[in-house]
Amino acid sequence: EVQLVESGGVVVQPGGSLRLSCAASGFTFDDYTMHWVRQAPGKGLEWVSLISWDGGSTYYADSVKGRFTISRDNSKNSLYLQMNSLRTEDTALYYCAKDGEMATIWGFPNSWGQGTLVTVSS
Amino acid sequence: EIVLTQSPDFQSVTPKEKVTITCRASQSIGSSLHWYQQKPDQSPKLLIKYASQSFSGVPSRFSGSGSGTDFTLTINSLEAEDAATYYCHQSSSLPQTFGQGTRLEIK
Repeated sequence: EVQLVESGGVVVQPGGSLRLSCAASGFTFDDYTMHWVRQAPGKGLEWVSLISWDGGSTYYADSVKGRFTISRDNSKNSLYLQMNSLRTEDTALYYCAKDGEMATIWGFPNSWGQGTLVTVSS
Repeated sequence: EIVLTQSPDFQSVTPKEKVTITCRASQSIGSSLHWYQQKPDQSPKLLIKYASQSFSGVPSRFSGSGSGTDFTLTINSLEAEDAATYYCHQSSSLPQTFGQGTRLEIK
C-alpha cells in the first residue's frame, strides 16, 4: 500500500524559509515522478511542482518559480520542498503526491498524503 | 499556462439524480484530463484518468468523456456519499493545472 507522510509545516513569518519533507513507502520510489500540490484554506487545489523519477527534471508553477526548490533523495525514499521568501499567499496545506505512471513527467498525481500545513503570518 | 474552467461551481442535487460536471480547457489537451473527488477534511482521490478511464476501485456510477478542450464527468444515480468537491486536472502541458472545483451538495 502506498503511504506518503508529509512533515515540516509550521507558522513562519513573511520572508522566511521552510523545508517540507515527504516520506514514501509501499512502492518503488525511484520509478516515479513526484508532485507537490497545495490548497489554501477554503480554496481549490493548486499544482506547485514536480520532479522526475531520477531527479533530473524539475518544473514549477509560476507563482513559486525562483522561490521554491523541489528535490528528492532516492536512497531515503524522500521528497522535499525548500520554500524561500515566503509570502502570506503561500499559506496552505501542502500535499505530496505520487505520479500515476512510471518514468514519465507527463503523468498525474494518483496517490496523495494527508498534507502538512504551512502558515505564513507575522 | 492552460486554464481549466469547470461548470457549475456549485450544484445541489437529490439522491439518484444524474449529475454532469463540465471542464473546458483554454487550448487542446488531447485526453490528458483527470478527475478527482475531495471530501471535507480528506485528501483528493483520483476518479478518472485520461478523460474516460476509470481508476481502480471507483464505483461504476462515475464516468468521464471528452477530448480536446471539452470534458465531462458524469455521476449516475447519485448517492449521499458523493457529496464532495470535484476537480479536473490537466497533465498535457507544464505547468500542470487544476480547475477551480465544483462543489456538490446532496439535498
